[in-house]
Amino acid sequence: NAGVTQTPKFRILKIGQSMTLQCTQDMNHNYMYWYRQDPGMGLKLIYYSVGAGITDKGEVPNGYNVSRSTTEDFPLRLELAAPSQTSVYFCASMGPNSPLHFGNGTRLTVT
Amino acid sequence: AQRVTQPEKLLSVFKGAPVELKCNYSYSGSPELFWYVQYSRQRLQLLLRHISRESIKGFTADLNKGETSFHLKKPFAQEEDSAMYYCALLSGGATNKLIFGTGTLLAVQP
Repeated sequence: NAGVTQTPKFRILKIGQSMTLQCTQDMNHNYMYWYRQDPGMGLKLIYYSVGAGITDKGEVPNGYNVSRSTTEDFPLRLELAAPSQTSVYFCASMGPNSPLHFGNGTRLTVT
Repeated sequence: AQRVTQPEKLLSVFKGAPVELKCNYSYSGSPELFWYVQYSRQRLQLLLRHISRESIKGFTADLNKGETSFHLKKPFAQEEDSAMYYCALLSGGATNKLIFGTGTLLAVQP
């Protein structure tokens, strides 16, 4: 089991550019999540999904979009990157009776 | 409202000293609580969960419903315990969301 895999590990974007952060898990977990981690702010939930075809907003969804066409994949899309989106992004998944499993994170800088 | 509060951003102790990382929660139902740890530039990983009532790496945490607390304790800190620690609350229901506190950075000095 690879667990939760995120790509890329690092990315620098210019203001207004778009990109997709990839996340895939091989544990057949129904629940998947995207968090952003900012110093002193902890982890904030961006979007989550309770299963393929179902997504919903978390605490800080503005400026992001997600899709969940398969159980394995949960990509996060930034359409118009802004400096406020500079952060470390973590994808996570959870199955029944299992804790949250995190990916290694994507460090994004928007300049 | 569901909330997790970690009042300390930084906790600095000397090796061998006792450690207590504070966590308070606000939740209307029966809470399910966790501690996650993040070592430098690594992914978050589960340290322990209250329903397991286990001790991992010498750490324990007891749920105190009267004080709505889930403090993390270790009697003798080690340098390798230096990390970011997050307390988290499972919101439950259909969404199964994990709500995190802002984290406490534990620095264990030699």
